[in-house]
Amino acid sequence: ETGVTQSPTHLIKTRGQQVTLRCSSQSGHNTVSWYQQALGQGPQFIFQYYREEENGRGNFPPRFSGLQFPNYSSELNVNALELDDSALYLCASSSRGYGANVLTFGAGSRLTVL
Amino acid sequence: RKEVEQDPGPFNVPEGATVAFNCTYSNSASQSFFWYRQDCRKEPKLLMSVYSSGNEDGRFTAQLNRASQYISLLIRDSKLSDSATYLCVVKALGRGSTLGRLYFGRGTQLTVWP
Repeated sequence: ETGVTQSPTHLIKTRGQQVTLRCSSQSGHNTVSWYQQALGQGPQFIFQYYREEENGRGNFPPRFSGLQFPNYSSELNVNALELDDSALYLCASSSRGYGANVLTFGAGSRLTVL
Repeated sequence: RKEVEQDPGPFNVPEGATVAFNCTYSNSASQSFFWYRQDCRKEPKLLMSVYSSGNEDGRFTAQLNRASQYISLLIRDSKLSDSATYLCVVKALGRGSTLGRLYFGRGTQLTVWP
């Protein structure tokens, strides 16, 4: 059984650029959630995807967008990057959509915006 | 007010010590409760769920007080390997965009020294 894998692990961008982060969910999981974790803070919910549709969204602006593919993998896209977007972006998969209690996290993508 | 409040610490304790972490949550409709552990520069991993009657897993004991909206984690006989950040996590029974999302505290940092 493979776990959640994310890519890239680290990346550096400049303000105004766009970034795409990728996530492959754990085998058997059909739901993917994305979280942003700033330094010294707990993860903050960005959004969740279930059956290729957004299934809930946190307090993030529209320049944060996502996709889920038929194989349940997912992408997080962030446009017009700002310095405050520097964070660890965590993808988590689960098997029961909104009913899931346990999330399996990937190792994260660490984004630095200069 | 944040959904989940935790004392960020840090807690520095010797091996063998007993240490307790507390957190409070603001949404009385919260449905499920967890403690996650996060090692430095790694992803969060589920430590244990927290049940209304309290529950124990080896050296770890979790308690929930729904009336006070308070959650605790007790670690007995601390080991060097317990050094990590402990995240208090609450799942709210929300509607619409909040359905199924997890709310994380900022985490409490623990260092166990020899």
